Amino acid sequence: DQQVKQNSPSLSVQEGRISILNCDYTNSMFDYFLWYKKYPAEGPTFLISISSIKDKNEDGRFTVFLNKSAKHLSLHIVPSQPGDSAVYFCAASYTSGNTPLVFGKGTRLSVIA
Amino acid sequence: KAGVTQTPRYLIKTRGQQVTLSCSPISGHRSVSWYQQTPGQGLQFLFEYFSETQRNKGNFPGRFSGRQFSNSRSEMNVSTLELGDSALYLCASSSGLQGQFFGPGTRLTVL
Repeated sequence: DQQVKQNSPSLSVQEGRISILNCDYTNSMFDYFLWYKKYPAEGPTFLISISSIKDKNEDGRFTVFLNKSAKHLSLHIVPSQPGDSAVYFCAASYTSGNTPLVFGKGTRLSVIA
Repeated sequence: KAGVTQTPRYLIKTRGQQVTLSCSPISGHRSVSWYQQTPGQGLQFLFEYFSETQRNKGNFPGRFSGRQFSNSRSEMNVSTLELGDSALYLCASSSGLQGQFFGPGTRLTVL
């Protein structure tokens, strides 16, 4: 049973527009959520995280929103740039970002110039 | 600081063989975790070591094992390799404060 779901395998966005990547989770015990970006042949790179006590966290062009009642989080990238093209993974943890991380299957974002 | 390093980057083995992968965490990080990434299952947690002790374990068979040394470096071993073990094996280190930082991975191909 998949506890973290990213229902969109892929997403295409025009350069300069907003990219919105979504993630749903089923386990209400998760208390920390992270987004990672992954390029081919590289390991995932940490992007941004959010604790369950917050509903929003912002870092430059990246904002993560958490809706605990809906068990839903989203990553907004504004403005999108061609270098943002990668696979984005949503992950959840019971222990403030430490192991074990439970990952979604990823969303491939393509930013078109 | 140098990032997480993993060796080797690529490995080809045949069924029935065993393999050992190595991971050096970020300096000062005492926790090392291992994940398996496959196209069908995504990223799945294998195990975590902290101060040379296995602290968490995922749902993998006993053929998958690991250890951590006093300098926090970690090794992962897979015995009696199967075709389905072909995957990208990722190591991540953590200081316990802000999540985990991943290495580039070892791509294992089992023929």
